[in-house]
Amino acid sequence: KQEVTQIPAALSVPEGENLVLNCSFTDSAIYNLQWFRQDPGKGLTSLLLIQSSQREQTSGRLNASLDKSSGRSTLYIAASQPGDSATYLCAAPNNAGNMLTFGGGTRLMVKP
Amino acid sequence: NAGVTQTPKFRVLKTGQSMTLLCAQDMNHEYMYWYRQDPGMGLRLIHYSVGEGTTAKGEVPDGYNVSRLKKQNFLLGLESAAPSQTSVYFCASTLAPSNEQYFGPGTRLTVT
Repeated sequence: KQEVTQIPAALSVPEGENLVLNCSFTDSAIYNLQWFRQDPGKGLTSLLLIQSSQREQTSGRLNASLDKSSGRSTLYIAASQPGDSATYLCAAPNNAGNMLTFGGGTRLMVKP
Repeated sequence: NAGVTQTPKFRVLKTGQSMTLLCAQDMNHEYMYWYRQDPGMGLRLIHYSVGEGTTAKGEVPDGYNVSRLKKQNFLLGLESAAPSQTSVYFCASTLAPSNEQYFGPGTRLTVT
């Protein structure tokens, strides 16, 4: 059964810092991994999807990497801003490929 | 393009009452999902559908039923609500398991 873990559970940084959020998964036979952002009381917004054939994916100040062999993905946020404050979730499919398993999320606070 | 929409946004039920949550997507997606999100438990899959007329159980299906009579709609039913079903319910859809999942804004349900 796929299990997804995110560390740390919460993170507080001053504005302008570069930061890394971590995601680990137990079943490395995944064909993609997805990162989401969730603002309080809102739904999930897809940030990046990395296919298993890719090592990384970039969108603006966000860069996500995937290392299937070690069961890890990281989300790098450059030059953080207060508007980046949210919960970030990663999700990996199960081995049947018919559902996503989510990590518990990292709650990020960027202080002005 | 509205994406994924959910109705209602909020609902309060008494124990034993029934209700149906509606999810609609206008992206011609084949796959649709219902999740619940609870503090400390993260997002868990209730039921999903791989196409019109098909449904399947997820991780936590007990107490819920679903129907996918039309490709664009996925209904989640609670026949006899229980306090344990107090949660935030999210619907999601995707073209294929290897693609991004798109989420609706959620329905906050309280069962008293």
